[in-house]
Amino acid sequence: AQSVTQLGSHVSVSEGALVLLRCNYSSSVPPYLFWYVQYPNQGLQLLLKYTTGATLVKGINGFEAEFKKSETSFHLTKPSAHMSDAAEYFCAVTYSGGYNKLIFGAGTRLAVHP
Amino acid sequence: NAGVTQTPKFQVLKTGQSMTLQCAQDMNHEYMSWYRQDPGMGLRLIHYSVGAGITDQGEVPNGYNVSRSTTEDFPLRLLSAAPSQTSVYFCASSYSAGSLHEQYFGPGTRLTVT
Repeated sequence: AQSVTQLGSHVSVSEGALVLLRCNYSSSVPPYLFWYVQYPNQGLQLLLKYTTGATLVKGINGFEAEFKKSETSFHLTKPSAHMSDAAEYFCAVTYSGGYNKLIFGAGTRLAVHP
Repeated sequence: NAGVTQTPKFQVLKTGQSMTLQCAQDMNHEYMSWYRQDPGMGLRLIHYSVGAGITDQGEVPNGYNVSRSTTEDFPLRLLSAAPSQTSVYFCASSYSAGSLHEQYFGPGTRLTVT
């Protein structure tokens, strides 16, 4: 069975500081990994995804994530936080042949303060 | 393109009442799904459909029914609402059921059962 653990339900950073949101997964088959962002009162929007190939994945809005198989991790980073990055972030996993059935983590709410 | 639309945005039901949450997409996507979002639990898959006439259960299907008579529409029915069904419901669609394809989420329906 697959599962996702996001460490830290709330993360607070200063504007301009590094953003690091942690995601660890469990999967008995090679995973496909996703990060979604949810702005207040909106649906989810895809930030980036890893399927195969390059393990460092770049997404929208300056975010990137690195797939580390040995650590079963897919942490999301951004070098310099902006006020507009304040949102809830979800890590999700599925796998090839698993239809598009995503297993989500509990989410991390990111606050950015001046 | 309107993308994925959901109605209503908000709904309050009494225990035992029934209702249908509407979901429509205008992108000719084969795959559609329903998730519920609860605090601290991320999103969980209720039901999904890989094409018109084909539906299947997700992780938390009890108390919900679905049907898919057209490519565009995927309504979610609550037959007898319970307080445990208080949640935010998201509909999503993707080009096909393949795990590689990005899912597009609607804006959500916030349901309260009293």
